[in-house]
Amino acid sequence: KQEVTQIPAALSVPEGENLVLNCSFTDSAIYNLQWFRQDPGKGLTSLLLIQSSQREQTSGRLNASLDKSSGRSTLYIAASQPGDSATYLCAVRCGNTDKLIFGTGTRLQVFP
Amino acid sequence: GAVVSQHPSWVICKSGTSVKIECRSLDFQATTMFWYRQFPKQSLMLMATSNEGSKATYEQGVEKDKFLINHASLTLSTLTVTSAHPEDSSFYICSALTSGSSYEQYFGPGTRLTVT
Repeated sequence: KQEVTQIPAALSVPEGENLVLNCSFTDSAIYNLQWFRQDPGKGLTSLLLIQSSQREQTSGRLNASLDKSSGRSTLYIAASQPGDSATYLCAVRCGNTDKLIFGTGTRLQVFP
Repeated sequence: GAVVSQHPSWVICKSGTSVKIECRSLDFQATTMFWYRQFPKQSLMLMATSNEGSKATYEQGVEKDKFLINHASLTLSTLTVTSAHPEDSSFYICSALTSGSSYEQYFGPGTRLTVT
């Protein structure tokens, strides 16, 4: 049974810091992995999608890496801003139309 | 990215009534849609997987007769909460899966349901 864990559960940093959020999964046989952010009371916004054959994806200040063999993904946020404050969720999909298995989330607060 | 809408964004209803929530993929066709429920400060809980033209697949512990799901077209899925009770009050989020080679999942903005 696939299990997804995220560390840390919460993070509070001053503006400008570079951050690393960690995600680990128990079964390396995944189809793809997605990173999302969720603002309070809102739906999820897709940040990055990494296919199982890829090692990393980049979008602006965000970079996500995937090491399938070790069951790990990291989300790197460069030069953090207060607007980055949100809960970040990683999720893995085991088959192409299978449901996503979500991690527990990292609640990030970036203060000015 | 692709856009998924939900309507209504919030609804208040009385106990015993039914509420319908719509989920639409605005700029892509979605063979598969998902319905989630989220309690405060908790992660999403998958309720059911909805496939266009067929019956939804419900997760263990989710009452099929209480949460009716209809995925009648490639751009629309609906969730009807029947005979709502206060414990059904929650944040309901739908999601649509793109097809092709990427299989990326996009989420709606959520519907806040309050049952009084």
